[in-house]
Amino acid sequence: DTEVTQTPKHLVMGMTNKKSLKCEQHMGHRAMYWYKQKAKKPPELMFVYSYEKLSINESVPSRFSPECPNSSLLNLHLHALQPEDSALYLCASSQDLRSVFYEQYFGPGTRLTVT
Amino acid sequence: RKEVEQDPGPFNVPEGATVAFNCTYSNSASQSFFWYRQDCRKEPKLLMSVYSSGNEDGRFTAQLNRASQYISLLIRDSKLSDSATYLCVVSYTGGFKTIFGAGTRLFVKA
Repeated sequence: DTEVTQTPKHLVMGMTNKKSLKCEQHMGHRAMYWYKQKAKKPPELMFVYSYEKLSINESVPSRFSPECPNSSLLNLHLHALQPEDSALYLCASSQDLRSVFYEQYFGPGTRLTVT
Repeated sequence: RKEVEQDPGPFNVPEGATVAFNCTYSNSASQSFFWYRQDCRKEPKLLMSVYSSGNEDGRFTAQLNRASQYISLLIRDSKLSDSATYLCVVSYTGGFKTIFGAGTRLFVKA
C-alpha cells in the first residue's frame, strides 16, 4: 500500500490565522518531505525529515514551521501567511535516505488559499 | 542555468504514436533519477525509476546517460490516458536534495 494521506484537502485562511497541515503514511518510510507547488510550476522542496529529524530546510520563511511527531506523521504549522503563499502543499515519503533508490510517494496535497 | 531542464512542451501526438522526452541535469553528483507523471490538479505519481542500464516497463522505456548527463523517457503506442505532465526528477544521495524539472506537457489526441 503506497498511500500518503493529507488533511485538509482545501484550506482558506486569513493572514492573521494559525492553521496546520497534516500528513500521514503507514509504509514504514523514515523520510518525509514537504513541497510547495504553484500553478503550472513543478513542486519545490521545502523541508526534509529523516528519522524524525529535520535534515533540510530550503530557506523557507519562518511563518512555515514543520514538525515530525513520529515516524508516520508530519505537520506543517502556518502562521501569518501572505497571499503569495497560496499554493498546493504536497507531502511525500520515501524509504531510508541512505538507500540508493528512494522513490518518493506523494499525498494528494492540501490546496491552500490565503486571503 | 537550471539544475534540471526538460524539453519545452507541449507535445501534441496522435494515439499510437511514439514520443520521447529528454531531461538534462547539471550536477554530476546526481545519483538517482526518476520520471513522474502529474495529471491536472493531482499529485505527482511515480512512473519509473531510471537505472544506469536503462529499464523498461510495458510501453515505457527510460534511459540514463551519465557521461552526457541526461535521461530520457520513451512512450510507445501512446494512449489518450497518457495525456499528462511528465516530470524529470533528480536526487542527490546522502544530500536528501530532490529537484524537479519544469515538466513536459503531453497531449494525446484521438
